[in-house]
Parts: sequence; structure tokens; C-alpha cells
Amino acid sequence: LAKTTQPISMDSYEGQEVNITCSHNNIATNDYITWYQQFPSQGPRFIIQGYKTKVTNEVASLFIPADRKSSTLSLPRVSLSDTAVYYCLVDPRRGFGAGTRLTVKP
Amino acid sequence: NAGVMQNPRHLVRRRGQEARLRCSPMKGHSHVYWYRQLPEEGLKFMVYLQKENIIDESGMPKERFSAEFPKEGPSILRIQQVVRGDSAAYFCASSPPTIRRDTGELFFGEGSRLTVL
Repeated sequence: LAKTTQPISMDSYEGQEVNITCSHNNIATNDYITWYQQFPSQGPRFIIQGYKTKVTNEVASLFIPADRKSSTLSLPRVSLSDTAVYYCLVDPRRGFGAGTRLTVKP
Repeated sequence: NAGVMQNPRHLVRRRGQEARLRCSPMKGHSHVYWYRQLPEEGLKFMVYLQKENIIDESGMPKERFSAEFPKEGPSILRIQQVVRGDSAAYFCASSPPTIRRDTGELFFGEGSRLTVL
């Protein structure tokens, strides 16, 4: 089952673009890559999902290289309210790694 | 369309008591996952159920823990004879049925926070 690795924390400033990369070297052919956001005392919330290449929605973009061994979540022009923990998930039965704690500063 | 509903949101038990956590998935969803989260840690997979079937319980301790998802009613995570180490947030997530391997798009409840005194 695929395991994911992400940076533990990142700092940014309002208005900047933030890129968070996740490695998943053992991703299976059928696995999708899904990113979630979690605020304190809340359940994770779906941000974006992809299988390969690039996916974009109204809040984020997801870049997946051809070998699919990593993925990068891109958050354009972050605001203070984007301060949260971000998780990438490859296999729901593997669970979530420790995630990346993003702190956005004024 | 109501989201995933978990109750109770907070539960306090004394050591040795039983804890029952309930999860009602989103309408039309037939897959339920349970996760446990300790402070400052990620969510650890416990069990994956479909209606009336346990598909994967590899993340659930063999003793004291059980889960079910009956044909009617919510999914229930049951912890017998609780110990202090069971104190955590327990999250339930549901996903829609799919003809292929589950894609991992999960919809989470707000969690049940268990405190064992």
C-alpha cells in the first residue's frame, strides 16, 4: 500500500503562491491522488483530486508528473484563512501521513 | 443534501466503560471509513465498511474495537473497556459507490472526540 511523505511545515505570506509536494513512490496503477485541508477541530475537507498531468479547480491546481511518484498542490494567492494542515492521500486504507502545516502570515 | 453526520461530538468515559460512536454517511453513499487522530498527528486508518460488510479492518486493534454498518441505520464504532490511550478524535468518512477501486474522494464528518478519564 502506498505511503506518502510531505514537508512537515511551510510558511508563506498573504498573496503568495504556495506549492506543497508529496512523494508517493509506491503508488499503484489504480490509485488516485487526493488532497485535503484540515482546520483544528474539524474533519478534513476535499480540495482536489487527479490521476495524471494537471488538474485545476476554483481553489487549487494539482500537478502530477508522468511517473506519478509525486504530486504538487498549488494554492494561488493564499490568504490568512488558508492556514491549515494539508494532506495528500493515495490509498484511503493506508491513512493519512502527518500532513503539511501551512502558516500564512500577514 | 446533508453531509456526513457523526455523534456524539464529544464523549467522556471512565476507564473500563464502553464508547459507541455513530456515523451516518451522506445520502447515496455506501462506503464508510473510520479513522483515528491523535493531537498533532495524521489520521490513521482503522476500518473500511460497506453495507453489512467489513471490507478491511487491518487498522483496527483486534481486541476491544469493533465496527459495523448495518443495512439500516448508521455505522457504529464500538470500543469496549476503554483505556486512557483510546482518547482521540475519531473521524468517519463516506464515499459513493464505484464500479472500480475506490478513488479516495472522501467526505468527512466533524469527528467524535473521546476523552477517557
